Amino acid sequence: GAVVSQHPSWVICKSGTSVKIECRSLDFQATTMFWYRQFPKQSLMLMATSNEGSKATYEQGVEKDKFLINHASLTLSTLTVTSAHPEDSSFYICSAPDRGSSPDTQYFGPGTRLTVL
Amino acid sequence: AQRVTQPEKLLSVFKGAPVELKCNYSYSGSPELFWYVQYSRQRLQLLLRHISRESIKGFTADLNKGETSFHLKKPFAQEEDSAMYYCALMTGAQKLVFGQGTRLTINP
Repeated sequence: GAVVSQHPSWVICKSGTSVKIECRSLDFQATTMFWYRQFPKQSLMLMATSNEGSKATYEQGVEKDKFLINHASLTLSTLTVTSAHPEDSSFYICSAPDRGSSPDTQYFGPGTRLTVL
Repeated sequence: AQRVTQPEKLLSVFKGAPVELKCNYSYSGSPELFWYVQYSRQRLQLLLRHISRESIKGFTADLNKGETSFHLKKPFAQEEDSAMYYCALMTGAQKLVFGQGTRLTINP
């Protein structure tokens, strides 16, 4: 099946710095990717929809200036957490549908654990 | 409002016993529902979707629109079924709304 990768798998940064997380579709093209956030022992919450070649759409309550999303190619979306603070510490997961084979199936990345000190 | 509710955070059953993980949803449109599973140290993966009416790894789920439910069932649990299970509702533009998840533990 389709594979989605994320890099890095974990990152620790100082408060006030920015962190970039990459999400790649390895063997298919993804015009749309989704970014989720998962707090410990909680469910996945959709943050935003990343659209190739256009602006991302953010869910209610998610600060677009805080979580910058760039979907520059059909296989890569990046999430940049700007001026990170400890409350941004979380598990960030991306997903993408493989429209070529199964349009309604989301393939998930392994996640990136962000810890802000 | 669109919402998915999994009332049980934890569920523990013995090997060979039947398993039922509950899922209820709230959605004004025509629901498209999924069960995703996350095994230990692995990524989230699709288990089954209501639209295909398939059985995967012995699991089945029937959409009951009257009760707005999509419970996941397996007649005989196996130890390898121990995992985190998430029920999810697909809304417009392929967005997924997840339930809180149920951690299933199968005891030997």
